[in-house]
Amino acid sequence: EAQVTQNPRYLITVTGKKLTVTCSQNMNHEYMSWYRQDPGLGLRQIYYSMNVEVTDKGDVPEGYKVSRKEKRNFPLILESPSPNQTSLYFCASWTGLNNSPLHFGNGTRLTVT
Amino acid sequence: KQEVTQIPAALSVPEGENLVLNCSFTDSAIYNLQWFRQDPGKGLTSLLLIQSSQREQTSGRLNASLDKSSGRSTLYIAASQPGDSATYLCAVRRGYGGSQGNLIFGKGTKLSVKP
Repeated sequence: EAQVTQNPRYLITVTGKKLTVTCSQNMNHEYMSWYRQDPGLGLRQIYYSMNVEVTDKGDVPEGYKVSRKEKRNFPLILESPSPNQTSLYFCASWTGLNNSPLHFGNGTRLTVT
Repeated sequence: KQEVTQIPAALSVPEGENLVLNCSFTDSAIYNLQWFRQDPGKGLTSLLLIQSSQREQTSGRLNASLDKSSGRSTLYIAASQPGDSATYLCAVRRGYGGSQGNLIFGKGTKLSVKP
């Protein structure tokens, strides 16, 4: 089954403790991205990657890092999480073709205390 | 700066009604527009994608229209069912690839269909 898999689904952590949220897709998509969803603000892009070793900032990249060492994986790294990064995070992938939609993972709910 | 607005923010209808969800965007230079459905605790599921050159797309009981020049799209749901209850999001793509591949999302319309 074609899917985008994120782990973990829920994560509670403390300020400053480094964490990684993993994302993997099995559709051989070139393009992957991370979004965060906050009440009243909607979904906003954090980082995106157009291919292996090609990443760039989205609209809200501060406090986050990403890497794309393999085509299928696109982890999101929070080196020093802060409470304002408490949010619902979504990973998405896309073929890059103009008539294909984005495919989303089921989300990771992160709470930073 | 592209902004996407969805009205209403919430909608409650009895089962069986036909309904329309609205989406407007400020910059008509879009590549395509997508409608998604989001269920609690789940990710987003793509419902329909309309290219900028198209006027509408249909899938089952769903029909999405696009009027690029006026910056509007509608999602029409026929004969609504309780299983249609979810939050519906529209998103526009600014261009092709790179940062232009980013989708700009509206805040969604939360739909509740009462049995």
